[in-house]
Amino acid sequence: AQSVTQPDIHITVSEGASLELRCNYSYGATPYLFWYVQSPGQGLQLLLKYFSGDTLVQGIKGFEAEFKRSQSSFNLRKPSVHWSDAAEYFCAWMDSSYKLIFGSGTRLLVRP
Amino acid sequence: DGGITQSPKYLFRKEGQNVTLSCEQNLNHDAMYWYRQDPGQGLRLIYYSQIVNDFQKGDIAEGYSVSREKKESFPLTVTSAQKNPTAFYLCASKFGTGNQPQHFGDGTRLSIL
Repeated sequence: AQSVTQPDIHITVSEGASLELRCNYSYGATPYLFWYVQSPGQGLQLLLKYFSGDTLVQGIKGFEAEFKRSQSSFNLRKPSVHWSDAAEYFCAWMDSSYKLIFGSGTRLLVRP
Repeated sequence: DGGITQSPKYLFRKEGQNVTLSCEQNLNHDAMYWYRQDPGQGLRLIYYSQIVNDFQKGDIAEGYSVSREKKESFPLTVTSAQKNPTAFYLCASKFGTGNQPQHFGDGTRLSIL
């Protein structure tokens, strides 16, 4: 079965430090990939998406992600984390019937 | 402002009762989705609908039912057959039925009394 893996349940970084959240997906012919962010008790907000073309995609709030087909990865990065970035982050892969398959999420904690 | 409205934000149910969660969107989106979120898990698809008067089961449809009588509305009923209904429920929608991204409501937290 197709799946999305986020290997880190929690990550803690200091404010101002760089961030990388990992996401791996099982092989699919259509690598439509997404990153969403969720604040406590809220819905999900789309950060960025990858469909094709340039493998480095820019999103909102200063986030970017790089698609690496050889590694089946779509890691999310931010050069300098702000305290307001503390939230849960979900990677998702869109299957051939255009349904989303979500990873289990990574909770980001930011140290002042 | 356009968006997806889920109501109520918190809902309590007695065992054996059915309860209906509301999801309304004014984005003119075609497809609508219901997800269940449990702690430490990602979102799991319950039901989805790509067009009015049509819907399909997702991965965990047992104990749930839906209807899509209007384009803007996709209510979810949690029936008494759902043995573990306590969870955070998220509704989403998107324009078209292809690879467009989904947009989410703010969720309803359902608890059993």
